[in-house]
Amino acid sequence: QLVLTQSPSASASLGASVKLTCTLSSGHSSFAIAWHQQQPEKGPRYLMKLNSDGAHSKGDGIPDRFSGSSSGAERYLTISSLQSEDEADYYCQTWGTGIQVFGGGTKLTVL
Amino acid sequence: QVQLQESGPGLVKPSQTLSLTCTVSGGSISSGSYYWNWIRQPAGKGLEWIGRIYSSGSTNYNPSLKSRVTISVDTSKNQFSLNLSSVSAADTAVYYCAREVGGWYNYWGQGTLVTVSS
Repeated sequence: QLVLTQSPSASASLGASVKLTCTLSSGHSSFAIAWHQQQPEKGPRYLMKLNSDGAHSKGDGIPDRFSGSSSGAERYLTISSLQSEDEADYYCQTWGTGIQVFGGGTKLTVL
Repeated sequence: QVQLQESGPGLVKPSQTLSLTCTVSGGSISSGSYYWNWIRQPAGKGLEWIGRIYSSGSTNYNPSLKSRVTISVDTSKNQFSLNLSSVSAADTAVYYCAREVGGWYNYWGQGTLVTVSS
């Protein structure tokens, strides 16, 4: 079964960097994912698509502070030079034949 | 710039049918290799995929909702729609429409809150 696992919460200080993790279920380590950001009281916003080899393509207007990387079944979103507006929920998403799957989301707090 | 906008009643009675429409602007719903999706989010919870439609009318649905969901497309109006039957309080959520390309969502609507209550 295709499942994405995310830690419920993360925190980092203003100006620092943070690395969020999304883990693919067993047997699905070659799958690509997408990262989406949801700021408080807003709809989700597409950040990037991330392949198993770490190659990623970002959405329009996404700052260079946001980057992606991969290792095995894990997909990472790294945000550098954290700003207050980066405080948000971050969801990973993947897809299979005729299905779409979301991770449970990680709530990022900027201290 | 593609934009998606959800519309429909904000209040639906239990056992009735929830009906929403997503209007697409900035591009034709029938051009390109896109799927058009519905996703929902109960208050304080994560995102749940409901289903999707291709411009040809081909659909896929979340197995957990499949018996109650119908998604349709009206290419002449550049819209696609969601019908969810026999609703209960558990269907109260913010409903989003989104454009899918190659599997991932690159455009989202702003969402619309639907409350199921008598």
